[in-house]
Order: sequence, then structure tokens, then C-alpha cells
Amino acid sequence: DSGVTQTPKHLITATGQRVTLRCSPRSGDLSVYWYQQSLDQGLQFLIQYYNGEERAKGNILERFSAQQFPDLHSELNLSSLELGDSALYFCASSDISAPYNEQFFGPGTRLTVL
Amino acid sequence: QKEVEQDPGPLSVPEGAIVSLNCTYSNSAFQYFMWYRQYSRKGPELLMYTYSSGNKEDGRFTAQVDKSSKYISLFIRDSQPSDSATYLCAMSASGGSYIPTFGRGTSLIVHP
Repeated sequence: DSGVTQTPKHLITATGQRVTLRCSPRSGDLSVYWYQQSLDQGLQFLIQYYNGEERAKGNILERFSAQQFPDLHSELNLSSLELGDSALYFCASSDISAPYNEQFFGPGTRLTVL
Repeated sequence: QKEVEQDPGPLSVPEGAIVSLNCTYSNSAFQYFMWYRQYSRKGPELLMYTYSSGNKEDGRFTAQVDKSSKYISLFIRDSQPSDSATYLCAMSASGGSYIPTFGRGTSLIVHP
């Protein structure tokens, strides 16, 4: 168990809808990352938050947004969903002081858009 | 061309075999090289990391980095069915936020 929790485990929704994925980092970790994993693209970095502030942005679509709250949990909001958004979404957390930045991953949320 | 290339497999080997997993990369700024293991329906977990070039050994696992060829490898000796998983290489540059770039992962199946 990595100590990172994600809810829900599975989400099935329809095109055009909006969903929110939730992540709680490991105790003491200030940095949270969101990734999308699909069969054809692999693990793609979306966005990083550090202590409530956006720190780095990757291949995140404009329809997607995230935030990190004062208690350090994070939410990833996906709107105007398309079939191609079906994927596994992982949250990871880290102690950013480690130079190689070991990331601890949650179990993921499997999103299916019908 | 992707920054990190990794053959997705699957790679199927008998128990006890030596397994070689590889990645190539194009960004010469990468200094930290990691291997993550991902079991089915789980998140990735860090297996090993190395800094710059050279070898690192941990039990049955050996990681090698050849920066001159932009090529990294993970060797698994005496492979076990419990090693069946997807192995993702990841690498990051020094400085900045160290966001790793991941390979697509290689699916490994070790059959008894």
C-alpha cells in the first residue's frame, strides 16, 4: 500500500458529462501529480500541485482542471467528456526534496466514457 | 519520435530465465533513471533508480545506464511468476521539478 488513496475506483459516464476524481496524498507529502494512462499513450503527466499551488503542467487538455486544497487532497475535474478520455487516471505524491523525485502512486480511477 | 521509447511486449519467459528490459531516450539532459513495476489493476511502484551512468544491483535486479548510447536496461535474474507485471522506465533531468518522462511499459509474463 503506497499510502495514496483515490476515489472512486471506477467511473462510467456519458459523453458531454463532467466528473471529479479525488486523491489524498501520503501523509507529509506536499506534492501531488496527476497522470493519464491509456494503452496507446502510456503514462502521461497532466499536472502537478505543490502545497496548494500549481507547479508544473504537462499534456493537460483545457477541458481538464485540477486543484489542491489546504488539507492537501487534490481533485481532477474532467468536463465535456469524450470517448477518448476513457483511461486510467493516477494520482501520485512525493516528498519533493528527493532529487530523483520518487513518486508514490495511488490505485487509480478507471474512467469509461460511453 | 517520443522522448522515451520502450517496446510494449508482451515478453514471455519461463521461470528461472534472465530477463532484459530496455528503453532508449533522446533527451541528453536526463540524469535520473528509474524503473517502476506495475501489477495489473495497481498503480506503478518504484523498483530501482540510478543517477547518471553505471550499474546498480538490488537482489535479483540490476539496472544499467549507458548515457553515451542513450540506452537503459533492467535485468532480472532467476525470474519468478511473481515478477509478471508491466515494467515502466522513467527518466528526469536535474533541476526544476524533476517530473519524470515515462516509457509506455513492457508487459512481462513469467510462466511456471
